[in-house]
Amino acid sequence: QKEVEQNSGPLSVPEGAIASLNCTYSDRVSQSFFWYRQYSGKSPELIMSIYSNGDKEDGRFTAQLNKASQYVSLLIRDSQPSDSATYLCAVNRDGYKYIFGTGTRLKVLA
Amino acid sequence: DGGITQSPKYLFRKEGQNVTLSCEQNLNHDAMYWYRQDPGQGLRLIYYSQIVNDFQKGDIAEGYSVSREKKESFPLTVTSAQKNPTAFYLCASSIDPGAGQPQHFGDGTRLSIL
Repeated sequence: QKEVEQNSGPLSVPEGAIASLNCTYSDRVSQSFFWYRQYSGKSPELIMSIYSNGDKEDGRFTAQLNKASQYVSLLIRDSQPSDSATYLCAVNRDGYKYIFGTGTRLKVLA
Repeated sequence: DGGITQSPKYLFRKEGQNVTLSCEQNLNHDAMYWYRQDPGQGLRLIYYSQIVNDFQKGDIAEGYSVSREKKESFPLTVTSAQKNPTAFYLCASSIDPGAGQPQHFGDGTRLSIL
């Protein structure tokens, strides 16, 4: 079992729809969770950090964390073609190391 | 502007050659990291450094070496012992990973074999 798992996709959604990206993690002691967006050929860019159970909203993005079920998700409202990218889930498990999922490729269809 | 600068953007290595990738940050971050990303794969940790003059091996350190003589700089050397060096190399830093702060990335260096 991978420490951080994501569906590789591609996840295709029409423009204006809600995109839902999911991530599960295996280590219950994980405390900090991050979503990064990576455009093709570029480096990852931090979108959201979440530390507590529940929802955290930032503009069109909402991160959701459920530590009991060991999953974290990212919702993108009013999806735009410019949101088409690979979204990486990362977990800070024991302070100095970050574990990344392999990413979910999102395609927003115009 | 504060940030992480990686150079060069593209690098070509000849057989048997060592090459060094530069990573400089002016964010005053203590922790710095090197990752390797292969097509369609996630980020794999090569080395990380929590403070100056200290660094630890990550999951795939064989064939790589690093130094951390200054807080701002964390260069990565890809040695001739690394037989499959073609990849996208990413440098990252964090102000306080022990407190769960996120990492921020440089623009990356794409390394290929000639």
